[in-house]
Amino acid sequence: GENVEQHPSTLSVQEGDSAVIKCTYSDSASNYFPWYKQELGKRPQLIIDIRSNVGEKKDQRIAVTLNKTAKHFSLHITETQPEDSAVYFCAATMNRDDKIIFGKGTRLHILP
Amino acid sequence: IAGITQAPTSQILAAGRRMTLRCTQDMRHNAMYWYRQDLGLGLRLIHYSNTAGTTGKGEVPDGYSVSRANTDDFPLTLASAVPSQTSVYFCASSDGLPAEQFFGPGTRLTVL
Repeated sequence: GENVEQHPSTLSVQEGDSAVIKCTYSDSASNYFPWYKQELGKRPQLIIDIRSNVGEKKDQRIAVTLNKTAKHFSLHITETQPEDSAVYFCAATMNRDDKIIFGKGTRLHILP
Repeated sequence: IAGITQAPTSQILAAGRRMTLRCTQDMRHNAMYWYRQDLGLGLRLIHYSNTAGTTGKGEVPDGYSVSRANTDDFPLTLASAVPSQTSVYFCASSDGLPAEQFFGPGTRLTVL
């Protein structure tokens, strides 16, 4: 069926270190892969996205890589800071970009 | 109105009662979505609408209905609420797909 798997569910990293979150998707026709950040008690907000014709995209300390052959994509956060502590969701479009399905989320803790 | 709004902010409801969650956006976005967020289960798509007059089923549509009479409004109705529908409900909109989704502030619903 249509699904997006996300790992790990919880991640703790030392401040200043890098964090990596990985996702796999089921629909080989998926074309759009966004990442959302949700701080405690707030709504999800887009932090970066990538389309299927691009293998990697970077925006300051965050980057996303996409491997269409393997149907997986990853979020990389470098030089982590306390404000990076949040829940991160990956997502992928399904059914020829008709709708979007989210992973179950990763709770990222930045340790002082 | 600026962006996307939801009402009510929170609600406690007796099982068996009918309830409509409201969602309104003023960005003239074609696409709108309803998600429920439960701990450990991420954001699960309930129903979506890619344009006024059309709707589609998401991952967990049972027990919910939607309508899209115009571009701005996308109400979600629980015909006969059950305790398993206790959740935080997020509405979102986007300028088509694939594109960034903008989330509303959420409605916290408790069914007793």
